[in-house]
Amino acid sequence: KAGVTQTPRYLIKTRGQQVTLSCSPISGHRSVSWYQQTPGQGLQFLFEYFSETQRNKGNFPGRFSGRQFSNSRSEMNVSTLELGDSALYLCASSLEGSGNQPQHFGDGTRLSIL
Amino acid sequence: GESVGLHLPTLSVQEGDNSIINCAYSNSASDYFIWYKQESGKGPQFIIDIRSNMDKRQGQRVTVLLNKTVKHLSLQIAATQPGDSAVYFCAENGGTSYGKLTFGQGTILTVHP
Repeated sequence: KAGVTQTPRYLIKTRGQQVTLSCSPISGHRSVSWYQQTPGQGLQFLFEYFSETQRNKGNFPGRFSGRQFSNSRSEMNVSTLELGDSALYLCASSLEGSGNQPQHFGDGTRLSIL
Repeated sequence: GESVGLHLPTLSVQEGDNSIINCAYSNSASDYFIWYKQESGKGPQFIIDIRSNMDKRQGQRVTVLLNKTVKHLSLQIAATQPGDSAVYFCAENGGTSYGKLTFGQGTILTVHP
């Protein structure tokens, strides 16, 4: 069974640009969560999607957005990039996103802002 | 101002020793906990989970202990191997929050051959 797949693995952007990251969950998993990982703040929750609906959101500005498609694949978008957005962006999937199911992570997209 | 990076706790052991990694969680509403292992350049890898109606759960070479009274989790790794070297994170679900895990800061485990 294939794991969570994130593309691209690496991205370099400049301030003010926007970026879209993609995540394909494990087959059969309908919940997709996104996290930002930085050396300063650790792993922080961005948002969660289930059945194409955002059910939960962390404390990030509106520049961070996402969506989910009918096949459960998800994308996240960051607009007007800032230097502080440089991070590893991780996607995790679970069966239904209920609070007592394990989340399985992809290897992330490393975003660098110049 | 200048941001300060997290200073992760470190644990250094010899190959074959048993390792114990500790974690204090913050939310008394949390009823589900997970341990993850993260190797350089990879995403967190699921190791073992435990629900709040249990105080101990065993897997292959790993045991998780949960003490709800003091909000403490530990991960025990038996016969630690060099391949166990990684950063280990505990995570809690915060109760009923959909799809959200709150992670600890992590512990760096180094296993010397």
